[in-house]
Amino acid sequence: DTGVSQNPRHKITKRGQNVTFRCDPISEHNRLYWYRQTLGQGPEFLTYFQNEAQLEKSRLLSDRFSAERPKGSFSTLEIQRTEQGDSAMYLCASSLGEQGAADIQYFGAGTRLSVL
Amino acid sequence: GNSVTQMEGPVTLSEEAFLTINCTYTATGYPSLFWYVQYPGEGLQLLLKATKADDKGSNKGFEATYRKETTSFHLEKGSVQVSDSAVYFCALSDPDSNSGYALNFGKGTSLLVTP
Repeated sequence: DTGVSQNPRHKITKRGQNVTFRCDPISEHNRLYWYRQTLGQGPEFLTYFQNEAQLEKSRLLSDRFSAERPKGSFSTLEIQRTEQGDSAMYLCASSLGEQGAADIQYFGAGTRLSVL
Repeated sequence: GNSVTQMEGPVTLSEEAFLTINCTYTATGYPSLFWYVQYPGEGLQLLLKATKADDKGSNKGFEATYRKETTSFHLEKGSVQVSDSAVYFCALSDPDSNSGYALNFGKGTSLLVTP
């Protein structure tokens, strides 16, 4: 098992462009999470999936953000009409989906987005 | 709402010194508590966890005890090494909250250990 994989590792885009990131979780992990991390801060929760169902969305996830996990495996996070404030590291994590407190999240290395 | 507060860094220690990184939390339910570590150029890794009051998590010489009475989960290590230099994040997960199983992180504490 190679762990959680995220692509691309770096993305530079111009303001107003759309970008899409991909996350491949650890196989057989039912839950998949997206977080955003800015410099000097801890990761902030964006959204999570239980299999293909998107169960929670943070207030941070504006209408310009959309996430999908169509077959319950990989997930994509799209940002439309990017703004400079979207510049951050976008992290993906997956977990087995165990009930209660034992559910451990495993993180990918992240996609660093720079909006010029 | 839920929140995590950890001591600000950077923390600079000499090799073999004792380490404490303070972490306190607020939660509406009965959270699980975690310490994650981020080594330079790498992703977040789980260091240790505790799921209920008085539990002690431990790994790689690091320890933290879930103290419900003081709402704390301080990270300690008796003798740090240069290889421990990293950013340490305290986090909680509260399935009873509106955010479910999402992790709520502190801002992170940067540790630099010098030879």
